Order: sequence, then structure tokens, then C-alpha cells
Amino acid sequence: AQSVTQLDSQVPVFEEAPVELRCNYSSSVSVYLFWYVQYPNQGLQLLLKYLSGSTLVKGINGFEAEFNKSQTSFHLRKPSVHISDTAEYFCAVSFYGGSQGNLIFGKGTKLSVKP
Amino acid sequence: GAVVSQHPSWVICKSGTSVKIECRSLDFQATTMFWYRQFPKQSLMLMATSNEGSKATYEQGVEKDKFLINHASLTLSTLTVTSAHPEDSSFYICSAMVAGGPGAKNIQYFGAGTRLSVL
Repeated sequence: AQSVTQLDSQVPVFEEAPVELRCNYSSSVSVYLFWYVQYPNQGLQLLLKYLSGSTLVKGINGFEAEFNKSQTSFHLRKPSVHISDTAEYFCAVSFYGGSQGNLIFGKGTKLSVKP
Repeated sequence: GAVVSQHPSWVICKSGTSVKIECRSLDFQATTMFWYRQFPKQSLMLMATSNEGSKATYEQGVEKDKFLINHASLTLSTLTVTSAHPEDSSFYICSAMVAGGPGAKNIQYFGAGTRLSVL
């Protein structure tokens, strides 16, 4: 079965510190990978995506992620966080050839940036 | 580009009434739209997949007669919660997928969500 695991439900960090939000997936076929951010009472905003090519992808707001096929991971990183990065972050996977592009979401990681 | 508008953002209704939520792709055509439900502090649960001009495909456990989905055009899908009850209170989010074709990469763009409160 295909699944997405976000290992940390909450990540507290101080402002200007680096952060890594972990995401692992399970699949027997090729995947497309996404990170979305959700601010309180809002929808999801696409941070970045991996479709093919370079395994290091850069997104908005200074975030980047690296696709590691051997470890089936797609961890999200930012070298220096801001208070405004406080939000819920969701990793999602779409499977190549999957039904109509359905996304499977992880359970989310709440990033709390403290001053 | 790739903006999805969802309306209303917040609705309060009485038990037994019906509520319609609209999802529009503003600057692209979406052959496929998705409807999700999100409970507090949880992830998104796919409710149904909506294809323009055809019947929606519902996920297991989602009542088709309670959650009516219409995808009348390439830019509009609607979700109607019929005879709403307090347990239907939730955050509903739609997404739209860029029309497929060679090289389509299954990218979904999300609306801002609708918070439904049933009294």
C-alpha cells in the first residue's frame, strides 16, 4: 500500500534557527512529491514540488527539499526560519500513473517559531 | 497563475438546511477538481473527485446523497451539503488540477477553504 509519513507532529524552533521537517513515503512506483503550507483557517499553498530532474528543489519563502529515492524521503528544510513561518506543513505524494492525480497527504507537522 | 477561489469562506447554518460551496479556477481550466474535508488538527481527507461533465467519484464512506457534487464547467465545481447536521461541521477545501495532456504532472492548486458550522 502507498503511504506518506511525517515523523514529527510538532516542531518548535527559535527564530533564525535552521529547521528540517521530515517526510517519508512508501510506493512501488515512481512518485511526484509536494510540500504544502497551511496557515490558520486557510487553504493549502504549494511550497515546492518534485516532478523529475534535479533532486534538490527550491520553493517559495526560502524553503527547499531533497528527494532521496533510496531512502524514500523528501525532507523540507530552511536555513533560517522567521516567526511568519509558523504554520502547518503537509507532505503529499502523487503516484505516477495514479488515478487522476490523487494526492495522499501526510498527517502534517506543526512548525512553531518562537522569538 | 493557478488561482483557485472558494466561496464562501465561512458559513453558519441551521440543522436541516442545505449549503452550497463553490470552487472556481480563475486563470486555468481544470478538468478535475477535488473536494477534501479537514477535521481540527488533522490532515485532509479526500471526499470525492469531480470531473467536468461526468459524475463525481466518491471515496469509500462518503455519502453521495448528502454531499452532492456538480462540475458543470471547466472552471466551476460545487459541493452541496444537504440536510446538514452538526456532525457535518468541518473545514472543506477544494482543489483543481491543471488540465491533463502530455507531460501533465498532477499538480493540484487549493482553494482557501470553507468553514461550515451547523447549529
